[in-house]
Amino acid sequence: RKEVEQDPGPFNVPEGATVAFNCTYSNSASQSFFWYRQDCRKEPKLLMSVYSSGNEDGRFTAQLNRASQYISLLIRDSKLSDSATYLCVVTDNYGQNFVFGPGTRLSVLP
Amino acid sequence: TAGITQAPTSQILAAGRSMTLRCTQDMRHNAMYWYRQDLGLGLRLIHYSNTAGTTGKGEVPDGYSVSRANTDDFPLTLASAVPSQTSVYFCASSDSSGADQPQHFGDGTRLSIL
Repeated sequence: RKEVEQDPGPFNVPEGATVAFNCTYSNSASQSFFWYRQDCRKEPKLLMSVYSSGNEDGRFTAQLNRASQYISLLIRDSKLSDSATYLCVVTDNYGQNFVFGPGTRLSVLP
Repeated sequence: TAGITQAPTSQILAAGRSMTLRCTQDMRHNAMYWYRQDLGLGLRLIHYSNTAGTTGKGEVPDGYSVSRANTDDFPLTLASAVPSQTSVYFCASSDSSGADQPQHFGDGTRLSIL
């Protein structure tokens, strides 16, 4: 089993739609969790950290379920500019080894 | 703020030649990383350094070497390039002294080995 797995995608959604991405991780001692976005031929950029209590940043909501070893990202009111690949990232129990998921590609259509 | 700077942006290299990819950060982050990204395989860790003077092997270290003489610089060297090393290379850094500190990435180097 891969350390970090994500929805295979791609997701093609119309503007204004709500879309959710799922991510599971295998190391129960994982310490930190993040969502990154990566545009085509660009570097990954931090979208948001994921905290145990869940957190929201504008149209984006991240949830963490440690018992199920599961992370989610919800995007509300999708914009064309949200089109990108979304990467789930988990660190080890020391917070130093970052493990990236394979990514889920999102295309928001007009 | 510059953040992380990688050079060159892209390079075409003949097989068998050596090359050093440069990475410099100005955030005083203690940890630095080199990844390669290939279509369908995602980001794979090549080497990392938790602090100046130390380095470690990642998932795919063969054919690559690194050094960390100081906090800011983390060069990646291909001693004798092979076509399978054609990839996009990303350097990253993080402040691992605190909890929940993310990685920050450079713009990447696109390397083609012919």
